[in-house]
Amino acid sequence: GDSVTQMEGPVTLSEEAFLTINCTYTATGYPSLFWYVQYPGEGLQLLLKATKADDKGSNKGFEATYRKETTSFHLEKGSVQVSDSAVYFCAIYTGANSKLTFGKGITLSVRP
Amino acid sequence: DTEVTQTPKHLVMGMTNKKSLKCEQHMGHRAMYWYKQKAKKPPELMFVYSYEKLSINESVPSRFSPECPNSSLLNLHLHALQPEDSALYLCASSLWGTGEWGLNTGELFFGEGSRLTVL
Repeated sequence: GDSVTQMEGPVTLSEEAFLTINCTYTATGYPSLFWYVQYPGEGLQLLLKATKADDKGSNKGFEATYRKETTSFHLEKGSVQVSDSAVYFCAIYTGANSKLTFGKGITLSVRP
Repeated sequence: DTEVTQTPKHLVMGMTNKKSLKCEQHMGHRAMYWYKQKAKKPPELMFVYSYEKLSINESVPSRFSPECPNSSLLNLHLHALQPEDSALYLCASSLWGTGEWGLNTGELFFGEGSRLTVL
C-alpha cells in the first residue's frame, strides 16, 4: 500500500536558519504530493502541492520539488521565522484508493 | 467563501450522552470527509461522502454515525463514546468526488476541528 516516511523530529532552529524536512514515499501509481501545516490549536492548512514529476510547489517562502526518480518531496525554506513553528505533514494521494496518506508529521520550533 | 466551518469548537460529553458535530462548506465541493486526530499524530480517515453518498467507511465503530443531509453539510453523531475517543475531529472537503480519476488530485480543505473530550 501507499506510505509516507518523514524524517524524525522534533526540529528546533534559530530564526533565519535554513530548513529542510525530508519526505519520501511509496505509492501504487502516480501520486499527487502535498505538504500540510498545522499551527497550535488549529486544523490543517495546505502549504503547497505538486501533481507531476519535476513540479515545484511554493508558498510563503517554502518550496518542494516532486522528484519521481527518488520518490521524494523534501520541504525547504531559506530563512525560517518564529511564526513558522508548527507541525508539518507530508502527504500523498493516488486515485487508486481515493485516500490521502499522511506521514507521521514533524514538529518545528523556531527560536527568536 | 473558501472555508470549511466546524461546530462546536469544543465539546465535553459523558459516555452516556448523545451529541453531534457539524461541518459546513459552501464551495460547491462534491466530497466531504471526517478525520480523527490524536495528539502528535497524523489525521486518520474515518468516513468519506461523495456526492452525498457514503463512499468510504474505515471500519469505524458504530458509536460514530455520519450523516450528509445535503451537499454542503456533514454531521457526525456521537453516542456511547469511550474516553479513548477523545480527540480532535477534523472535517475536510474536496472539489471532486472520490473515484473521479484525473480530476480529484486529493487536495483537501480542512476545518479548524472540534476538540472532543469524553469523560
